[in-house]
Amino acid sequence: QVQLQESGPGLVKPSQTLSLTCTVSGGSISSGSYSCYWIRQPAGKGLEWIGRVYTSGSANYNPSLKSRVSISVDTSKNQFSLKLTSVTAADTAIYYCAIQPPGEGDYWGQGTLVTVSS
Amino acid sequence: QSALTQPASVSGSPGQSITISCTGTSSDVGSYNYVAWYQQHPGKAPKLMIYDVTTRPSGVSDRFSGSKSGNTASLTISGLQPEDEADYYCSSYTTSSTIVFGGGTKLTVL
Repeated sequence: QVQLQESGPGLVKPSQTLSLTCTVSGGSISSGSYSCYWIRQPAGKGLEWIGRVYTSGSANYNPSLKSRVSISVDTSKNQFSLKLTSVTAADTAIYYCAIQPPGEGDYWGQGTLVTVSS
Repeated sequence: QSALTQPASVSGSPGQSITISCTGTSSDVGSYNYVAWYQQHPGKAPKLMIYDVTTRPSGVSDRFSGSKSGNTASLTISGLQPEDEADYYCSSYTTSSTIVFGGGTKLTVL
């Protein structure tokens, strides 16, 4: 069964870079064109799509975050990563990673809380 | 990109059926059969209930069904059960090759 686990600092200072990694187990993201993406959810609010990278390397980002976000994939480690620069308190949220195998529905991680505060 | 429009709340009694709508535009819901629905209980990660408008993942009850007409997608839950009480979100692929979510709907089982 496919499982995803987010990891990274739970506290980031304003103006710094938020970095998270998603590790996939129970399946190999190198065995096809997987879609690997990040979603976030501020406390008490709805879901916001951050962006996606295909295991082929191409990426798409939410236009509202595009200037600050980068998503990369390392198929050899079965991982993909998120970098969000110049963070502010508005970036405080639970961050989820998810993957979608070709022709299937997606699988999500349990989420990790990232707080932006000095 | 603008969020898809969902009702803030819906309610129903056990055994009844309810439908949650998800209205987009010709740039998202209306252009592709890539609409998904997620169920989220408090403090939990979202769970995929429907993808590609009508497809249920393995293990999801057949009480959940999806449909689409024009720019509006719908999630119907039949035989409502207390454990169905949760927040529900729709999402859609867009013509910009991005994904957009709805604002979420709180389902209350009376």
